Formats: sequence, C-alpha cells, structure tokens
Amino acid sequence: SQKIEQNSEALNIQEGKTATLTCNYTNYSPAYLQWYRQDPGRGPVFLLLIRENEKEKRKERLKVTFDTTLKQSLFHITASQPADSATYLCALDRDNQGGKLIFGQGTELSVKP
Amino acid sequence: SAVISQKPSRDICQRGTSLTIQCQVDSQVTMMFWYRQQPGQSLTLIATANQGSEATYESGFVIDKFPISRPNLTFSTLTVSNMSPEDSSIYLCSVALFRGNQETQYFGPGTRLLVL
Repeated sequence: SQKIEQNSEALNIQEGKTATLTCNYTNYSPAYLQWYRQDPGRGPVFLLLIRENEKEKRKERLKVTFDTTLKQSLFHITASQPADSATYLCALDRDNQGGKLIFGQGTELSVKP
Repeated sequence: SAVISQKPSRDICQRGTSLTIQCQVDSQVTMMFWYRQQPGQSLTLIATANQGSEATYESGFVIDKFPISRPNLTFSTLTVSNMSPEDSSIYLCSVALFRGNQETQYFGPGTRLLVL
C-alpha cells in the first residue's frame, strides 16, 4: 500500500540556521507532492506544491526538492525563526485527481532563539 | 483562498451518543473532504462529500458510523454516531480549489472531540 514517512524525531535548531525535513514515499508514483504547516489546535495550512517534473521550488525562505528516483522530497527553511516552530506535513494526492491526500506523520520543528 | 469554518470547535461527549459537525465554506465547491486526526497521528481521509450524490467512504469508514450530508455547494455535515473513546480525534473538513494553474487544498480549523 502507499506509504509516506517523515523524520519521526522532532527537529531542534538554532535561529538563523537552515532546517531540513525529509519525506520518503513508497508504492506510489505521484504527479505532485505538497507540504503543509500545522500549528497546535489548528488545521494544516498549505505551503508549497512541487510537480514530478520540477526538481526544486522556492517560496520566500522555503525550498522544496523532489527526487522521483529516490522517491524523496526535502523541505528547507532558510534563516529559520522561532515563528517557524510548528509541525510540517508532507502529503501526496492518492489518485492525482485532487483532494484525497495521504499525509506523512509530520515532523515537529522547534527553532530556538 | 478559501475560508472554512467548523462548528463546534470542540466538544466533550458521552459514549453511545452522536455528534454532528458542521462545515461551511465561502466558495462553491463540488467536493468536500472529511479527515480525522487521532491524537499524535497524522490526518486520515474519512470520506468525500459530493453535492447531489452519496458520499464515498474510505476503507475502514462506513456510512452508518459517519453519515454525511451535503445539502448545497458550500455546506456539509459529518455525524460521529454511537461514539466510543476511540472516536476521540480532531475532525477536519477540507476543499481543493484551483488558483492560477495549481490546485490548493484548504482545511478548516478542526473540531476537537473527546469521548468519555
């Protein structure tokens, strides 16, 4: 069955450093992959979508890479700030038709001042 | 972007009772999605609510336990029936909208349910 795995350990980094989160998937050939941010007590908020034909995508301090050979996506936050502290989720569209997402378990990021 | 509201935001219920969660979207959408997030877990899709037809349920979820209504293009309800403590979760509704050349998925704030 389709499976998505993220760094299970919480990630603690110092302010100003780059945070790198990993998402690996198996038994799947997604047309695109998405990253979300979730704060405690809130629903996930969409951050970035990267398509299978895109190697890299950037949005402000965020960068996502997508390696369909390795079946892996990396999510980077450069110049991290304490306000970036949250749980980050990667998700795949189960049937590439929109809406039916399979989520990883999330990586909790803590940025210390 | 889409603005999604849910009611109630949280509730504490007794086992054996039922709770209906409402989801309101500020855009007309064909499909609305209901997800569950159990404590310490990630999100799992429960069902897809289609306007004008029956909801479609994912493996492990059945209509008798999670009946869904979809009376119009901006509103849906999910009922958690005959609740047990295992139903304690956050329940979220979601929609997918095209913005530019990209589909973006939006989530409501969630309904936090505790079953005693």
